[in-house]
Amino acid sequence: EPEVTQTPSHQVTQMGQEVILRCVPISNHLYFYWYRQILGQKVEFLVSFYNNEISEKSEIFDDQFSVERPDGSNFTLKIRSTKLEDSAMYFCASSVNAAEAFFGQGTRLTVV
Amino acid sequence: GIQVEQSPPDLILQEGANSTLRCNFSDSVNNLQWFHQNPWGQLINLFYIPSGTKQNGRLSATTVATERYSLLYISSSQTTDSGVYFCAVDRSGSRLTFGEGTQLTVNP
Repeated sequence: EPEVTQTPSHQVTQMGQEVILRCVPISNHLYFYWYRQILGQKVEFLVSFYNNEISEKSEIFDDQFSVERPDGSNFTLKIRSTKLEDSAMYFCASSVNAAEAFFGQGTRLTVV
Repeated sequence: GIQVEQSPPDLILQEGANSTLRCNFSDSVNNLQWFHQNPWGQLINLFYIPSGTKQNGRLSATTVATERYSLLYISSSQTTDSGVYFCAVDRSGSRLTFGEGTQLTVNP
């Protein structure tokens, strides 16, 4: 069964460093999303991406965040200068028609 | 924005018991999904159910869109059902709004 794949599964980074989280969405999907979940809290929307541009972003998605689809298969989230409060589980999701979304297994980011 | 409320926040069951989890939402929605977050943090799709009733094995779900709620039924619960159950809704296809979740613990 096709699935969304995220790498790495866990990343530890120093405060102030840049990180890139990678995702391979399901191959025929056209809509892509990033969400995050701070430990013990609910899942929060960050950004949606369609037709090679951001379609919607939340107030969390400020200038330190960016997304890119560098080729036909990958979808990345870059955090430019990480802060302690960026520590969270980051989920990538994709959808074929902006209806049902399928989530990857997540990347646990720890900023120290 | 749209508000999503889930109840109960915590639920402890003995193996074999049945349970009902509820999700209320504050506005009309086009999409509604139920997820199970397992102990490893993975979000597992359970149902895509903007309206109507669906069943998958021991799990079933009903959404009454006109009354803005959805119910997830778990029958004959097993220890592997433990985890957090999230309801998430979407009005436009661009962003899911999640509830706070129901933490389910099934004891042997």
